[in-house]
Amino acid sequence: EPEVTQTPSHQVTQMGQEVILRCVPISNHLYFYWYRQILGQKVEFLVSFYNNEISEKSEIFDDQFSVERPDGSNFTLKIRSTKLEDSAMYFCASTWDRVSPLHFGNGTRLTVT
Amino acid sequence: AQKVTQAQTEISVVEKEDVTLDCVYETRDTTYYLFWYKQPPSGELVFLIRRNSFDEQNEISGRYSWNFQKSTSSFNFTITASQVVDSAVYFCALSEARGNFNKFYFGSGTKLNVKP
Repeated sequence: EPEVTQTPSHQVTQMGQEVILRCVPISNHLYFYWYRQILGQKVEFLVSFYNNEISEKSEIFDDQFSVERPDGSNFTLKIRSTKLEDSAMYFCASTWDRVSPLHFGNGTRLTVT
Repeated sequence: AQKVTQAQTEISVVEKEDVTLDCVYETRDTTYYLFWYKQPPSGELVFLIRRNSFDEQNEISGRYSWNFQKSTSSFNFTITASQVVDSAVYFCALSEARGNFNKFYFGSGTKLNVKP
């Protein structure tokens, strides 16, 4: 069964550094999402992306965050200048249509020191 | 206000016991979708089930069953004869249409501990 792939599985970075989290959604999916989960807490929506543009973003997704689908297969989340509170598990998800379940990747654990 | 409420933060049961995880949602939409996801200790989020708002039939899949009641805005999940492998955090989610996509709202999760 096709799956969403995220790399790296774990990223450690220093405060103030830029990080790029990478995702390869399922190939025929059209809707893309990033969620994050601070350890032991709920799954929080960051941003949704459809038709090469952001559909909606949460208040967490401030100017330090950006997303890109550079080549039709990858879907990246960039954090420009990381803060300690950005430490979390970041999940990429995709769906074929609006009503299908989200298919999640295995996540990237980001640790900001 | 929370769109999805999972009031049970953590539940512990002994293997072979039945356990029900509660989920209450809030929406004004007539068309919406409800989901359950499982997050085992390894951390991935695994889709379990989707129901749409027009289908109130309960569903059974092996030891898992789901009870959708629109009258009480609830979508509860029961595991029959629980096993240690069922130990995980379970998330209930609601999906509503928003423009050209659907927005998903997750509950805060219920951690299920199944002891041998």
